[in-house]
Amino acid sequence: AQSVAQPEDQVNVAEGNPLTVKCTYSVSGNPYLFWYVQYPNRGLQFLLKYITGDNLVKGSYGFEAEFNKSQTSFHLKKPSALVSDSALYFCAVRDMSANQGGKLIFGQGTELSVKP
Amino acid sequence: DAMVIQNPRYQVTQFGKPVTLSCSQTLNHNVMYWYQQKSSQAPKLLFHYYDKDFNNEADTPDNFQSRRPNTSFCFLDIRSPGLGDAAMYLCATSTRTSPQPQHFGDGTRLSIL
Repeated sequence: AQSVAQPEDQVNVAEGNPLTVKCTYSVSGNPYLFWYVQYPNRGLQFLLKYITGDNLVKGSYGFEAEFNKSQTSFHLKKPSALVSDSALYFCAVRDMSANQGGKLIFGQGTELSVKP
Repeated sequence: DAMVIQNPRYQVTQFGKPVTLSCSQTLNHNVMYWYQQKSSQAPKLLFHYYDKDFNNEADTPDNFQSRRPNTSFCFLDIRSPGLGDAAMYLCATSTRTSPQPQHFGDGTRLSIL
């Protein structure tokens, strides 16, 4: 079965420090991976995706993610966290089952808190 | 800017009183999705349309229905809302033919009295 796991419910970081939000996946075949961010009372905003190619993917707001096939991971990173990065982050993989219309399988979410 | 718009942003209804949530898009995407999200949990897919082809998730209650009269609009109907249906409802769109991200609206927060 295809799945996504975000092992940390919450990540706390001091402003200016690097941040990492972890994600591991389990799919058959090559994965299409996504990161989304959600601010309070807002929808999900797309940050970045991995489809193929370079394992280091750069996205919006200075975020990047590293695809690691051997570890089946797709961790989200940022070199220097901002207080405004505080939000809920979701990792997702596209469901590759037949006739699934591009469905996403989401991780359970990680609450990122950046303190001044 | 092309976008996904959900109306209203906040909706209050009474227990058992039918309610309709709406979603419109200017992206001309052929796939539209409805999700239910409760208190910082992952969004739960209710159903999706690929053009006019309706696809219901196996565990979506019969109480939830949807209509897509044209490419731009999609509606979520809750026939008899219960207290457990209080949640954020998110609409999203995408193209099916390529691995592009889904684009989300800002949601409708539904409260049940």
